[in-house]
Amino acid sequence: DQQVKQNSPSLSVQEGRISILNCDYTNSMFDYFLWYKKYPAEGPTFLISISSIKDKNEDGRFTVFLNKSAKHLSLHIVPSQPGDSAVYFCAASGNNDMRFGAGTRLTVKP
Amino acid sequence: EAQVTQNPRYLITVTGKKLTVTCSQNMNHEYMSWYRQDPGLGLRQIYYSMNVEVTDKGDVPEGYKVSRKEKRNFPLILESPSPNQTSLYFCASSLEPYSPLHFGNGTRLTVT
Repeated sequence: DQQVKQNSPSLSVQEGRISILNCDYTNSMFDYFLWYKKYPAEGPTFLISISSIKDKNEDGRFTVFLNKSAKHLSLHIVPSQPGDSAVYFCAASGNNDMRFGAGTRLTVKP
Repeated sequence: EAQVTQNPRYLITVTGKKLTVTCSQNMNHEYMSWYRQDPGLGLRQIYYSMNVEVTDKGDVPEGYKVSRKEKRNFPLILESPSPNQTSLYFCASSLEPYSPLHFGNGTRLTVT
């Protein structure tokens, strides 16, 4: 039972354009959400997070949006750069539980 | 440099031969955990530890053991590995549960 879903296994965008990665969750007890980035042969690294009391959090080129009523979050990368090519995992936590999505592989073409 | 160190990076073994994957962190983190990553399933938690001598099962603990005798170390033990434990394993730590995790670089295990 996957409580956190990333329905797009892959995404390809042109350098300079916007990348939008999506994540849906089912457990209404989740109240803290994180995005991790993973390069090949490395472990995931924390990218950005958002608490359920906010609907947006921004850090440089990265912005995470949270729609609690839809149980949906998204990560926007603007502008996308070739170095952003990686697998992105979303994670949701709350009520003594944390779950990860299956990941989305982002390819940014020069 | 703050880091989580896992060893070995790659391991090929046979069914039933006991093995240990080591994990060490130098950030004085209370919380440590082990995950396995499988295609289409994301990261699933195997075991976690809130502090020294305190460990608990995650979502997929069957066939695994852990220990936390010291704050910095959290080894993962497979007493009798089976082919369905072939996977990519990550150790992680954080200041407290559910805060951003620091991951090791992974251990790719193949059980034949």
